[in-house]
Amino acid sequence: DIQMTQSPSSVSASVGDRVTITCRATQYISTWLAWYQQKPGKAPKLLISDASRLQSGVPSRFSGSGSGTDFTLTISSLQPEDFATYYCQQANTFPFTFGPGTKVDL
Amino acid sequence: QVHLQESGPGLVKPSQTLSLTCTVSGGSISSGSFFWSWIRQPAGKGLEWIGRIFISGDTKYNPSLNSRVTISVDTSNNQFSLSLNSVTAADTAVYFCARESVAVAALDYWGQGALVTVSS
Repeated sequence: DIQMTQSPSSVSASVGDRVTITCRATQYISTWLAWYQQKPGKAPKLLISDASRLQSGVPSRFSGSGSGTDFTLTISSLQPEDFATYYCQQANTFPFTFGPGTKVDL
Repeated sequence: QVHLQESGPGLVKPSQTLSLTCTVSGGSISSGSFFWSWIRQPAGKGLEWIGRIFISGDTKYNPSLNSRVTISVDTSNNQFSLSLNSVTAADTAVYFCARESVAVAALDYWGQGALVTVSS
């Protein structure tokens, strides 16, 4: 299986901060990477697909980059509604696998 | 707007079979543009991909569960289902159904999740 790692595992930030989350795959996955946001008690929400494609309705302060094995999710100016856990997921090879998550809190 | 809703027993006894159904509304499950997936999340932990099905019946499963899991589709009711047999306490989790868009290769619509507890 392709293992996904994320760093940091948690980050404390303030409104207006720039936050960067890194995701790394143990094998080459091209750009078959998605980012999700999950709030407590809710289902994950797709933010970005294909490593950098912002989903419709997702604020432009979210951006994704990377290819191969190293990827980043950036929130350019953190808003109160962005406090959540973020997961990356590879869709290059079965079984699809998720990173362990990065919790963004105050 | 596509909506997915999980349903099924919230409590299953050890060694028995966990069965969940996902009802899709706002779109046809017979569309060739989507896969229909199951993901689970134990309390306080991360996400685990269980498997997916295409309308043709083609399935892919997580090898960690492969021998115990079956995903099926019911086009007449616009539903797809998960069956996981020989469950143990380790299978206790919130189970999500989701749609994977072929176009974006990502899970773009999710159900709200169903908590299934395995306990005697």
